[in-house]
Parts: sequence; structure tokens; C-alpha cells
Amino acid sequence: AQSVTQLGSHVSVSEGALVLLRCNYSSSVPPYLFWYVQYPNQGLQLLLKYTSAATLVKGINGFEAEFKKSETSFHLTKPSAHMSDAAEYFCAVSPRGTGGFKTIFGAGTRLFVKA
Amino acid sequence: GAGVSQSPSNKVTEKGKDVELRCDPISGHTALYWYRQSLGQGLEFLIYFQGNSAPDKSGLPSDRFSAERTGGSVSTLTIQRTQQEDSAVYLCASSLISGGVGEQYFGPGTRLTVT
Repeated sequence: AQSVTQLGSHVSVSEGALVLLRCNYSSSVPPYLFWYVQYPNQGLQLLLKYTSAATLVKGINGFEAEFKKSETSFHLTKPSAHMSDAAEYFCAVSPRGTGGFKTIFGAGTRLFVKA
Repeated sequence: GAGVSQSPSNKVTEKGKDVELRCDPISGHTALYWYRQSLGQGLEFLIYFQGNSAPDKSGLPSDRFSAERTGGSVSTLTIQRTQQEDSAVYLCASSLISGGVGEQYFGPGTRLTVT
């Protein structure tokens, strides 16, 4: 069975500092992987996705994530945090060939950005 | 183009009353999902539709919850005899099946408050 674990329910960084949000997955074969962001009082928005092309995936708003098969990880990073990055971030995993029906979301990590 | 829309955006109801929540997916998206997000929590999967059928209803919390989808488009989530623990944000998402890797497009959610 697949699962996804986000380490840290809350992460706090200073404006301009590196953002690192951790995600580890469990799957018998490399799945599709996603990061979503949820701003206050809004639905989730896709940040980026890994579908087996390049292992380093670039997304919107300067975020990127690297798929590391040996570590079963898909951590999200951004070199320099902005105040507008404060939101909740969800990692998700979906088995290949299922069209997303079996997508599993992590518990989420809330990012705080200090001025 | 238009995204996923949900109505109402907010709903306050008295304990014991029935409520209906509506979701309009992106045109052409054959898969539709319902999730529940309680305060400060992650996403709890409720049900998904492939076309008008719901192959997986395992996430529905109780028999007070039901959902239907008509014409491969609009979906309604019905909660009968609402309880205070039903208070949450209900999110709807849609996705492509064929040719897609399963990324989901979310609506803004319906905030349900049961008093």
C-alpha cells in the first residue's frame, strides 16, 4: 500500500531564508508525486508534479522539488522565502496507471514566514 | 477557462438538518472527488466518481453521507441529520483520466458549520 509522510506539521523560516519542506513516500514502484499549496480560505492549487521525466521538477512561484528514488523522498524547496509563501503545503502520491483515483495526500505542513 | 466551482461557499445549519453541497467540475474532467478538511487537519478522502459511478465509497464517514453525480458533470454531497462533528470544509476536485497523470484541480470549498 502506498503512503506519504510529511515531516513537520509546522515550519517557520525568516523572509529570504531557504524553505525546505520534507516528504517521504512508500510505494513498490515509483509513483507520480505532487505538491499542492493551500492559501487561507482557498482550495488546493498544484505547485508541481513529478511524472518520471527530469528528477528535478520546477514549479510555480520559484518552488522546486527533487525526486530521489534511493531515499523515497520528494522534498520541496525554495531558495528565498517571501511573506506570500505563508500557506499550507501538501505532498501527494498517486500510483501510475490509476488516473489519480488512488491519490493519497500527506497531512500537510504549515509554513510560517517571519519578517 | 473556468475552474472547479462549489456552492454554497458557507453554510450554517442546525444540528439534525439535512444539507446539500454542490460541485461543478472543470468541463471534460471525468473524475470527481470529495474531501473533508477539519480545522487544522489534512484532507480526508470521502468519495470519488468516474463518470457517474462511484467505485469507491469507502471514505464516507457514515450512512448519513451520500453523493451523486449526474450527466458526468455536477455532483451533490448530501449530509442527513447533521451533527456538530460534521463541521468542516468540504473540498471538491476534478481530474482527467485518459492521458492524465491524475493531478487534481480543487474548488474553493464549502465551509459547513453545524450549530
